[in-house]
Amino acid sequence: AQSVTQLDSHVSVSEGTPVLLRCNYSSSYSPSLFWYVQHPNKGLQLLLKYTSAATLVKGINGFEAEFKKSETSFHLTKPSAHMSDAAEYFCVVTGGFKTIFGAGTRLFVKA
Amino acid sequence: NAGVTQTPKFQVLKTGQSMTLQCAQDMNHEYMSWYRQDPGMGLRLIHYSVGAGITDQGEVPNGYNVSRSTTEDFPLRLLSAAPSQTSVYFCASTDRQGDYGGYTFGSGTRLTVV
Repeated sequence: AQSVTQLDSHVSVSEGTPVLLRCNYSSSYSPSLFWYVQHPNKGLQLLLKYTSAATLVKGINGFEAEFKKSETSFHLTKPSAHMSDAAEYFCVVTGGFKTIFGAGTRLFVKA
Repeated sequence: NAGVTQTPKFQVLKTGQSMTLQCAQDMNHEYMSWYRQDPGMGLRLIHYSVGAGITDQGEVPNGYNVSRSTTEDFPLRLLSAAPSQTSVYFCASTDRQGDYGGYTFGSGTRLTVV
């Protein structure tokens, strides 16, 4: 069985400060893990993915995530937030044919 | 442009009506799926297909049917619409065996059932 938990439903940061969006997972398989971003009234866009290569994964727009098997975590970070980062972010785990989405974390960026 | 095309973008139905949400991809992806998105619940899998002629149920299949007669198309049918099916529906596809989270998503269909 697989599950994914995004630990914060909302995160608020100031522009120029670091971003941390937290995700824990469980999987019976060796998992593939992903982060997606969804801007208002838009579809989902793939930010980055982990598929058992390097544990530190770099994505688009300066985001990165670290796979920590011992902690079953895959947290998303960015050193400096930009106003355009305001969106909803989804952590995703896959194994076999099933893909499970987290409930989402809405990121607010204050000027 | 290559990608996943969903139609319509918006739809209002009366309770009990039926309709089909269309999804087409031109990337020759084998794997396609339908999700619904509701506030605070992320995306939930309705049905998926691993190739033409093969479909299976996801987390929330009740009230929905799918078929996959071609690689390109994966329509979602609502048999008798209910207000609980008011949601945003996303179709997604991928070509990667064992990498089913690396999707390309359509832009969504916003459905309201009154």
